[in-house]
Amino acid sequence: EPEVTQTPSHQVTQMGQEVILRCVPISNHLYFYWYRQILGQKVEFLVSFYNNEISEKSEIFDDQFSVERPDGSNFTLKIRSTKLEDSAMYFCASSASRGQETQYFGPGTRLLVL
Amino acid sequence: SQQGEEDPQALSIQEGENATMNCSYKTSINNLQWYRQNSGRGLVHLILIRSNEREKHSGRLRVTLDTSKKSSSLLITASRAADTASYFCATDAIGAQKLVFGQGTRLTINP
Repeated sequence: EPEVTQTPSHQVTQMGQEVILRCVPISNHLYFYWYRQILGQKVEFLVSFYNNEISEKSEIFDDQFSVERPDGSNFTLKIRSTKLEDSAMYFCASSASRGQETQYFGPGTRLLVL
Repeated sequence: SQQGEEDPQALSIQEGENATMNCSYKTSINNLQWYRQNSGRGLVHLILIRSNEREKHSGRLRVTLDTSKKSSSLLITASRAADTASYFCATDAIGAQKLVFGQGTRLTINP
């Protein structure tokens, strides 16, 4: 069964450093998403991406964040200058279409900012 | 309060019993999805119910949706120790692409 994959599974970084989280969505899907889950809290939407552009973003997704689909398979989330409060589990998801369709989630990248 | 709130926050039952979790939401939705998350792991999709559906089954799972009350329930029958996890409902509001998650129900199945 096709699945969303994410790398790395864990990342530890120093405050102020840049990190890039990588995702390979399901191959025939057209909509891509990033969510995060701070330890013990609910899953929060960050951004959705369609047709090579951001289609929706949350208040969390400020200028420190960016997303890119550099090739036909990868979807990346970049945090330019990490803060302590960016420590969280970051999930990538993809869906075949908008609305009425399941969003399939990857296993997540656990980011720890020291 | 938040879209997609589950109750109870925690539920502990004996193996073999049925577990029922509820979810309430506030806005009109396209669909409602239930996910499972084992401790510290990823989100596993369980079932999607569309706004024009009232009930859906998948194996030991039964989901109901009442759009007039803006609520949904997830029933797991004949629970097993492996069902121990957190369960989240997530709504996909009309006009939006994002899923809005609740805080989840932490389910513990005691052997």
